[in-house]
Formats: sequence, C-alpha cells, structure tokens
Amino acid sequence: QQPVQSPQAVILREGEDAVINCSSSKALYSVHWYRQKHGEAPVFLMILLKGGEQKGHEKISASFNEKKQQSSLYLTASQLSYSGTYFCGTELPGNTPLVFGKGTRLSVIA
Amino acid sequence: GAVVSQHPSWVICKSGTSVKIECRSLDFQATTMFWYRQFPKQSLMLMATSNEGSKATYEQGVEKDKFLINHASLTLSTLTVTSAHPEDSSFYICSANAGTQYNEQFFGPGTRLTVL
Repeated sequence: QQPVQSPQAVILREGEDAVINCSSSKALYSVHWYRQKHGEAPVFLMILLKGGEQKGHEKISASFNEKKQQSSLYLTASQLSYSGTYFCGTELPGNTPLVFGKGTRLSVIA
Repeated sequence: GAVVSQHPSWVICKSGTSVKIECRSLDFQATTMFWYRQFPKQSLMLMATSNEGSKATYEQGVEKDKFLINHASLTLSTLTVTSAHPEDSSFYICSANAGTQYNEQFFGPGTRLTVL
C-alpha cells in the first residue's frame, strides 16, 4: 500500500523548479505532503482531497489526478530553505491512517 | 495551527530497561493519535493508531507487548518501549488528528531513542 515517490533525489540551484510525484495503486481519499529536515519532525505542506479541494501554502502548489491516483508537488523558484526530504502520505476512504512514501530528497544549492 | 509536543526529545538507556514517550496535543483534543518509527534516511513507518479510551490498533509486525500504547485522555498518548534493545534505537514520532475538515495530521517533534 506504500505510495511510490519519484524521483528519489534531486539537486537544484536556487531559482530552479522541481516536481515531485506520488502514485498509489489504491483509490485514494486524500494526499498529504510533508517536508522533513534532518533530525526534525515532518512539517505539513499541503492536502489534496478527492473532489478537488486543497489546503496548503501559498508558494507551493500540487495536483491530484484521481483517475490515475497520482499527485504531484510543484516547487517553483526554489530557495535554499526548500532543502529537505519530501514525503507524500496517502489516505484511503474511511478515515484510515496515512501511509507514507519513501521520500524525495531535495537539495537546493546556491 | 495545532501544536503537538513530545517528551523527551531524546533518551539514552541501557538494554533491558523500559522507556516511556509522551505525546500531547497542546491546543486541541485528539481522539486519535498515531505513532511512527523512522530509521535514518528512511520513511515514516506507522506502528499503531492510538484511540482515546480504547485499545490501540497495531500494524502488522509490531509487537503489542513490546510497544505499549496508552491513550489516557484526549490530549495525551504514551508509548512505552519495554525491555528495550539496541535494535529498538530509532526516531519515534507521534502525530494527532485535529479533526478538521481536511483531516490534517500534526506531528510532534520526535523522540530519538538510543539503546546501549
């Protein structure tokens, strides 16, 4: 049931854009995105619900393709502070616990 | 936003001892809390779902007698690692469902357990 994230790692220069993908083999109710810095707990970024509702940060956008059970996180004009590991967490219908992907390690360099 | 705290933030113990980790929701009530375990450079693995006033629901492969969970109130869940061994060393993170429309989970800062 673990969602598959891609890419596993990406290196960007400041100002460049990145896309992180998350796909599931199950029909999803929602997709949650988190960013975790080394030694810290994950920080909430974005939620995408079945039906199109979203809640998240202004500078980060995401999409949820319900037919393909895929979500993509879009990071534009990256900053050094964007560095970290990004996890998607998928929720099945029925208020189930989140199941997290293996993460995408993003490094932004000057 | 909703705040979740964990205590202690780190603990070092000898093999064979038991360690209790507390997870508190500070500004909201959480009927459901979750306990995760994370090894270095790996994903968060759900260990159990903690329900206030009832028994926890453990994921497959997680030993109930080794990882005791007690959700005594709407703001407190505890995880006790009993008879800890070096292989139990890990980063333990709790999260709480704030019960909002979007069903967000808010994570505590984590507890790093090192068993010598």
